[in-house]
Amino acid sequence: QKEVEQDPGPLSVPEGAIVSLNCTYSNSAFQYFMWYRQYSRKGPELLMYTYSSGNKEDGRFTAQVDKSSKYISLFIRDSQPSDSATYLCAMSGTASKLTFGTGTRLQVTL
Amino acid sequence: GAVVSQHPSWVICKSGTSVKIECRSLDFQATTMFWYRQFPKQSLMLMATSNEGSKATYEQGVEKDKFLINHASLTLSTLTVTSAHPEDSSFYICSAPDRNDEQYFGPGTRLTVT
Repeated sequence: QKEVEQDPGPLSVPEGAIVSLNCTYSNSAFQYFMWYRQYSRKGPELLMYTYSSGNKEDGRFTAQVDKSSKYISLFIRDSQPSDSATYLCAMSGTASKLTFGTGTRLQVTL
Repeated sequence: GAVVSQHPSWVICKSGTSVKIECRSLDFQATTMFWYRQFPKQSLMLMATSNEGSKATYEQGVEKDKFLINHASLTLSTLTVTSAHPEDSSFYICSAPDRNDEQYFGPGTRLTVT
């Protein structure tokens, strides 16, 4: 079993839809949770960083962490074609060493 | 957010030669940097942790004599792929945590070995 599970998609939604991306994990030592966006042949871009259970909002993005269920989510409101990318969840314990999910490929259509 | 750069962005080399990739933190100091490899349509796989002033720590299965890492200063880490072979062709990405432990990634280096 992988430490971090993420559905690879692809996920296709119409413009303006709410997108829900999810990851589950098995390692209780993970304390820090991140979401990255990666465009093709580019480095990952940090979207959200959180270390506590609950919700964190930044513009159209909301990150949700449920440590009791070992489940994290990223919601994208009013999705745009420019949001089309691969979204990677990542998590770490205390040493900055990240463990990534496989990434979910998102396509937002006009 | 913080900025991490990589050079070159794309390199083609012949089998058997060595290639050096640079990773720089532009507006912050990083005592630790990380090197990842990413194959097409796959996630990032951590190769090694680069530590300023000391030896790098390699992940299981990564050959330290093939992937030489030097963390020369608080803003520069280099990865040298020695005696490159076609199977080393991949996308190499570095990252560095800032003082808030938020990790920022470079734009990546695409290596093609012919």
